[in-house]
Amino acid sequence: GAGVSQSPSNKVTEKGKDVELRCDPISGHTALYWYRQSLGQGLEFLIYFQGNSAPDKSGLPSDRFSAERTGGSVSTLTIQRTQQEDSAVYLCASSFPTESSYNSPLHFGNGTRLTVT
Amino acid sequence: ELKVEQNPLFLSMQEGKNYTIYCNYSTTSDRLYWYRQDPGKSLESLFVLLSNGAVKQEGRLMASLDTKARLSTLHITAAVHDLSATYFCAASNYGGSQGNLIFGKGTKLSVKP
Repeated sequence: GAGVSQSPSNKVTEKGKDVELRCDPISGHTALYWYRQSLGQGLEFLIYFQGNSAPDKSGLPSDRFSAERTGGSVSTLTIQRTQQEDSAVYLCASSFPTESSYNSPLHFGNGTRLTVT
Repeated sequence: ELKVEQNPLFLSMQEGKNYTIYCNYSTTSDRLYWYRQDPGKSLESLFVLLSNGAVKQEGRLMASLDTKARLSTLHITAAVHDLSATYFCAASNYGGSQGNLIFGKGTKLSVKP
């Protein structure tokens, strides 16, 4: 079966432009997560969705970052007025709802490598 | 606030040797995960540990969890080159709506002949 799909795989943008990153979770996974990984660093939590709602937005680094999810499926992460420090790999992950599948790991996509020039 | 610390951050091993990676977390967590990441690739789930004393093994890797000590370990037995990768642990203090996992910084393992 298909895994978590992210697009684009690579994105180069000029400073100040807006970008949209897309995530298609595994079918049936209602929990969806966005993480950011800078070069050689660990994973930084950005936002978590349960269905279409985002109970935890605590990781979004600034108000330039926003995310939405529609139909309990596809999610988009939008970065407005990109800055060079936004350059990183943005990883999306999905899982079964934690209430019903307690031991479900997160399944990660291959990420979008964002470069802001 | 939940914090997760791994050590060591870098580990160079010889093939055939044993070693342990440690993962400490700062507050109560109800789940502990171990992931592997190869260079340029995404994260692959290795283990999910749910209860105190849980031990899971897959090949040359064995993970354990001590919730009282807030410590998980990933033990490598008779390392081989194919195990070279970065290993992450992640903990969660899930309760109600909070479901995010907090990751450690990762341990970059290099196994040399």
